[in-house]
Amino acid sequence: AQSVTQPDIHITVSEGASLELRCNYSYGATPYLFWYVQSPGQGLQLLLKYFSGDTLVQGIKGFEAEFKRSQSSFNLRKPSVHWSDAAEYFCAVGEKAGNQFYFGTGTSLTVIP
Amino acid sequence: GAGVSQSPRYKVTKRGQDVALRCDPISGHVSLYWYRQALGQGPEFLTYFNYEAQQDKSGLPNDRFSAERPEGSISTLTIQRTEQRDSAMYRCASSLGTGVRYHEQFFGPGTRLTVL
Repeated sequence: AQSVTQPDIHITVSEGASLELRCNYSYGATPYLFWYVQSPGQGLQLLLKYFSGDTLVQGIKGFEAEFKRSQSSFNLRKPSVHWSDAAEYFCAVGEKAGNQFYFGTGTSLTVIP
Repeated sequence: GAGVSQSPRYKVTKRGQDVALRCDPISGHVSLYWYRQALGQGPEFLTYFNYEAQQDKSGLPNDRFSAERPEGSISTLTIQRTEQRDSAMYRCASSLGTGVRYHEQFFGPGTRLTVL
């Protein structure tokens, strides 16, 4: 069965520091992988996605993620965090043959000045 | 509208009451999805529609939960005889078509349901 693990429930970083949010997945084949961000009172917004090809994908707001098949990981990174990046981040696996997402439990990011 | 809207944004109800949650998708979006997000968890798939047809309801937890989209636009998720364990954020999403690869799902702000 498909599953997504986000081992870090909460992360605190200083503004301007680099960020890496971890995501591990379990899936029978090469998955479709996504990162979403959820700001307070807002819906989930798609940051980036991976389907195939280049394993380093660029997203919006300066985020990138790298697919590593050997580690079953799809970690999200940003070289310099801004205060506005404080939010909850969800990694998700999408079914290839279907329309469902399987979401991780999320990582809450706090940015301190 | 500019995005997916949901109403009400907050709903407090007493155990045993029925509730109806509304989702208004982006105009022209064929597919509509319902998710439930418990506190500290990620969204969990409930059901989805293409136009007015309910294509998959495998995620509905039991027969107290039902959803409809009679005219292929607005959808209603109904929970009968609510229980405290139904308390969660209920999210709706819509997309131009089906298939997560080709059609991004746009999420609404959610309805926070609290069952007392």
